[in-house]
Amino acid sequence: NAGVTQTPKFQVLKTGQSMTLQCAQDMNHNSMYWYRQDPGMGLRLIYYSASEGTTDKGEVPNGYNVSRLNKREFSLRLESAAPSQTSVYFCASSERGTSGPGELFFGEGSRLTVL
Amino acid sequence: GENVEQHPSTLSVQEGDSAVIKCTYSDSASNYFPWYKQELGKGPQLIIDIRSNVGEKKDQRIAVTLNKTAKHFSLHITETQPEDSAVYFCAASRAARQLTFGSGTQLTVLP
Repeated sequence: NAGVTQTPKFQVLKTGQSMTLQCAQDMNHNSMYWYRQDPGMGLRLIYYSASEGTTDKGEVPNGYNVSRLNKREFSLRLESAAPSQTSVYFCASSERGTSGPGELFFGEGSRLTVL
Repeated sequence: GENVEQHPSTLSVQEGDSAVIKCTYSDSASNYFPWYKQELGKGPQLIIDIRSNVGEKKDQRIAVTLNKTAKHFSLHITETQPEDSAVYFCAASRAARQLTFGSGTQLTVLP
């Protein structure tokens, strides 16, 4: 069982470069999420997709775009990377219930450094 | 929006002792409170959760308590073991909203 798979695991960019983080889940979940994790700040939601065909902003969406390519895949794009986007990025998926997001299943993370 | 505060940021305990991590939340309508454990180099994993119609929930050595009046909830780990060493995150949400996470607690269990 792969669960949630993220690529790449590590990436170094120069300021102004662009890149896309890829995420795929094999649990047939409707909802998918992108979080960033910074020291002392926990996990902050960047964007989420409640179901195939929909995307919504989270707490910290500036500088990012997302695409829900199909039910399995949810990508995160940095169009013009900035040092403030140096972080560890986590993709997650869940089967959202009527009472909330349900259990989130996370990938192993993508560590991005912007010089 | 929701604001979740988590304390302490670091916690060291002797193996076999208990550990307690506390969180407060701001939105009185929040009704779902999960706890996630993150081991080094991995993504967070759900270990226990509680809903607002329950005051306490236990799963072996782990328990969570909820005080809705005071808007705080706590994670209790008894008989700690080295494999309990990890970062723990609390979170809160209400229906149709996304989870808001606390800032995390690095728990170290000393042999």
